[in-house]
Amino acid sequence: AQSVSQHNHHVILSEAASLELGCNYSYGGTVNLFWYVQYPGQHLQLLLKYFSGDPLVKGIKGFEAEFIKSKFSFNLRKPSVQWSDTAEYFCAVNARLGGKLIFGQGTELSVKP
Amino acid sequence: DTGVSQDPRHKITKRGQNVTFRCDPISEHNRLYWYRQTLGQGPEFLTYFQNEAQLEKSRLLSDRFSAERPKGSFSTLEIQRTEQGDSAMYLCASSSTGQGAPEAFFGQGTRLTVV
Repeated sequence: AQSVSQHNHHVILSEAASLELGCNYSYGGTVNLFWYVQYPGQHLQLLLKYFSGDPLVKGIKGFEAEFIKSKFSFNLRKPSVQWSDTAEYFCAVNARLGGKLIFGQGTELSVKP
Repeated sequence: DTGVSQDPRHKITKRGQNVTFRCDPISEHNRLYWYRQTLGQGPEFLTYFQNEAQLEKSRLLSDRFSAERPKGSFSTLEIQRTEQGDSAMYLCASSSTGQGAPEAFFGQGTRLTVV
C-alpha cells in the first residue's frame, strides 16, 4: 500500500536549535518526494522537492532534505530554526509521472523565541 | 492574486443537505486535484482531473461525492446528503504536467461543518 509516515507529531524547539523531521514512505516504483509547509492561517506551500539527481536537495528558507533510497526516507533538516518557522510540515510522495500526492500525517513545529 | 481560489471559504450546513464547492485553478494548469483534510491529519486524496477528464477517484470516496470539471477550467465538488463525518477542510490544488515533478499549488480550502 502507498503510505507516508512522519515520525514526530509535535516538535518544540528553541530558536537557533537544529531541526530534523523524519519521513518514510512506502510506494512501488520510482517516486517524487516533497515537503510542504502550512503556516498558521495560510495554504500549503512547497518547501522543496526531489525527483532525480543529487539526493540532497535545498529548498526555500534554508531548509534541505536528503533522499536515502535504501531507507525509503526523505528527512527534512534546518541547521538553525527561527520563530517564523512555526508551522505544520507535511511530507508527500507521488509517482514519477506525477498525479495524486500521498501525504504523511504532518508534524507541528513550535519554535520558542 | 493568480493562485488557486476556492469558494466558499466556510460552509455550515445541516445534516442531509447537499453542498457544492468551487475551485478555480491556476489558468495554465491542466491538472486539478481535490483533497480532504481533518484535524491532525495530512490531506487525503479524493479525485483528480487532467483537463476535463476525471482520471482517478479514491476508492474511499462515497457515492455521495461527485466532482466535475466541465470545460477543463474550474471544478466543482458536490456532497449529497451530508453527514457529520463529512466535516473537514476540502482542498483544491492544481499543477501542470511534464518532467521534473511539477509542483501542486494549493488553495486556501473550504471548511465544511455539518451540524
